[in-house]
Amino acid sequence: GEDVEQSLFLSVREGDSSVINCTYTDSSSTYLYWYKQEPGAGLQLLTYIFSNMDMKQDQRLTVLLNKKDKHLSLRIADTQTGDSAIYFCAERGPSGSARQLTFGSGTQLTVLP
Amino acid sequence: EADIYQTPRYLVIGTGKKITLECSQTMGHDKMYWYQQDPGMELHLIHYSYGVNSTEKGDLSSESTVSRIRTEHFPLTLESARPSHTSQYLCASSDPPGLAGYQETQYFGPGTRLLVL
Repeated sequence: GEDVEQSLFLSVREGDSSVINCTYTDSSSTYLYWYKQEPGAGLQLLTYIFSNMDMKQDQRLTVLLNKKDKHLSLRIADTQTGDSAIYFCAERGPSGSARQLTFGSGTQLTVLP
Repeated sequence: EADIYQTPRYLVIGTGKKITLECSQTMGHDKMYWYQQDPGMELHLIHYSYGVNSTEKGDLSSESTVSRIRTEHFPLTLESARPSHTSQYLCASSDPPGLAGYQETQYFGPGTRLLVL
């Protein structure tokens, strides 16, 4: 079946860049998403990328997609303490498929002062 | 800003009680979802709905049931709560495919943290 994997933990210093990585197995994935979850809260959509793109930038966020290696990354520039949260990678199958989103296990980002 | 609401936010209840977790969205989305998330773990889809009177079971088997009588409302019910049901339950809805392609972003509610004693 489909699988999405992420490393569990990442620590960075305030002001540094953070890079959160994700790998997936389904080559027919159409959209890939990054969600942020703060303690005790639901998931907040940060950004998404269509599978025919290799990069998308939105303010401090840069998403890189290597479709050949099935590797997705989220770079957060100038990381702030408010960025501390769990970041989930998710992928969606092709249009018309019954499959919904498949989520990774999440990466806990800790920003140190 | 997504308009999707869940109540209660926190619930502590005894074994054997019947509970209903509420989820409502005001965006007119046809598709809605329920996920179960244990602390520090990934999300698992337990139910989804394509519209009124449509419900399907998700990837993870669950003893809960859902109903979809109105577009905006997708409640989840546990007939007899057990400690193994202790978890966080997240509701989501998604907008229809965009004209440019099949995007369907899912918007999440704040979640309900359930503790069954």
